[in-house]
Amino acid sequence: EDQVTQSPEALRLQEGESSSLNCSYTVSGLRGLFWYRQDPGKGPEFLFTLYSAGEEKEKERLKATLTKKESFLHITAPKPEDSATYLCAVQEDYKLSFGAGTTVTVRA
Amino acid sequence: EAQVTQNPRYLITVTGKKLTVTCSQNMNHEYMSWYRQDPGLGLRQIYYSMNVEVTDKGDVPEGYKVSRKEKRNFPLILESPSPNQTSLYFCASSFSGTGVYEQYFGPGTRLTVT
Repeated sequence: EDQVTQSPEALRLQEGESSSLNCSYTVSGLRGLFWYRQDPGKGPEFLFTLYSAGEEKEKERLKATLTKKESFLHITAPKPEDSATYLCAVQEDYKLSFGAGTTVTVRA
Repeated sequence: EAQVTQNPRYLITVTGKKLTVTCSQNMNHEYMSWYRQDPGLGLRQIYYSMNVEVTDKGDVPEGYKVSRKEKRNFPLILESPSPNQTSLYFCASSFSGTGVYEQYFGPGTRLTVT
């Protein structure tokens, strides 16, 4: 059973069109939920850590929120440079599990 | 510059020929990990290490070995590679003082086994 499920798989946006990505998880002892950005041909780049339900973090046009069973990554007024694959991961004890990612394409 | 380095970046090999992918970090991180990334499956953890001489299996350890003799290095060994190990491999490291692992990733190694 997948511990981390991300949706949608792909998202095509017009520049300035805000949207949200979803990450649902099933781990019982969550130590942290992470969001990463991955550009083609590169390693993932850390964005946020969320620790408990109700927590929010922001960075430029990105805002991550966390509930007991899912996290959302909101992209406000995206620009073409926000095009990337966004990965969600959860840590349970010492192990980390990643979702398959959401590929975001922002057209000018 | 703080970084995780992997070598080689690209490798084409044949079934059964032993190979090692090196990983090194210069941030004095305790936690290190190896992942493979396959289309539609995302990143899957192969092995992780919480410190020198302490390693444990991730979700997909079969066919792989690791060792952690020094804090900065965490090589991945494929003793008898098979075509189903063709993948993109990433090494990552993290400070572990808080118990929460915000990982820095290397640039990746693309492995093809024929």
